Amino acid sequence: AQSVSQHNHHVILSEAASLELGCNYSYGGTVNLFWYVQYPGQHLQLLLKYFSGDPLVKGIKGFEAEFIKSKFSFNLRKPSVQWSDTAEYFCAVNDHPLGMRFGAGTRLTVKP
Amino acid sequence: DAGITQSPRHKVTETGTPVTLRCHQTENHRYMYWYRQDPGHGLRLIHYSYGVKDTDKGEVSDGYSVSRSKTEDFLLTLESATSSQTSVYFCAISESAGATQETQYFGPGTRLLVL
Repeated sequence: AQSVSQHNHHVILSEAASLELGCNYSYGGTVNLFWYVQYPGQHLQLLLKYFSGDPLVKGIKGFEAEFIKSKFSFNLRKPSVQWSDTAEYFCAVNDHPLGMRFGAGTRLTVKP
Repeated sequence: DAGITQSPRHKVTETGTPVTLRCHQTENHRYMYWYRQDPGHGLRLIHYSYGVKDTDKGEVSDGYSVSRSKTEDFLLTLESATSSQTSVYFCAISESAGATQETQYFGPGTRLLVL
């Protein structure tokens, strides 16, 4: 089974700061990778996904992620965060047929 | 947002009682999943279904059972609830499963407290 590691449990930033959240996965073959966001009290929403092709993936709300196969990484980035980005962020990999394998999540707090 | 509803949204129950959570979808997707979310663990798969009456176990299936008698409904039952099953439960759906192109969409969640 695959595994996903998210290095940061809680990140605190000021508005306009740049964001990078780390994600590493264990599987060396073909992978489908995802970032989901969960705003307080809400369900998970898909931010972006990577299946193949351009390793730099752009998602919603100004987020992007870069797939680096040699490093087994899929880090999430945003050049300038806003207070409304306060949420929990989950990296996940498709672990068919066992659904999605999620990391433990990173809680992002953006101070106004 | 995908057409997924979960009921109830909140439930408090006592240890030893049976509990059934319902997931309903309007997307006619073949695959449905039940996850639980706990601090420090992200989401973990409990059971999944790949069609009507076709289900299988996930990573944390002990103490849970599921049923799917219709495409749109996927039920999760805690046969005798324990305090360790206090969690937030999410249903997810996907149109296709496999090594490529599967994306899962999540329901709003059910917050369960077992006293």
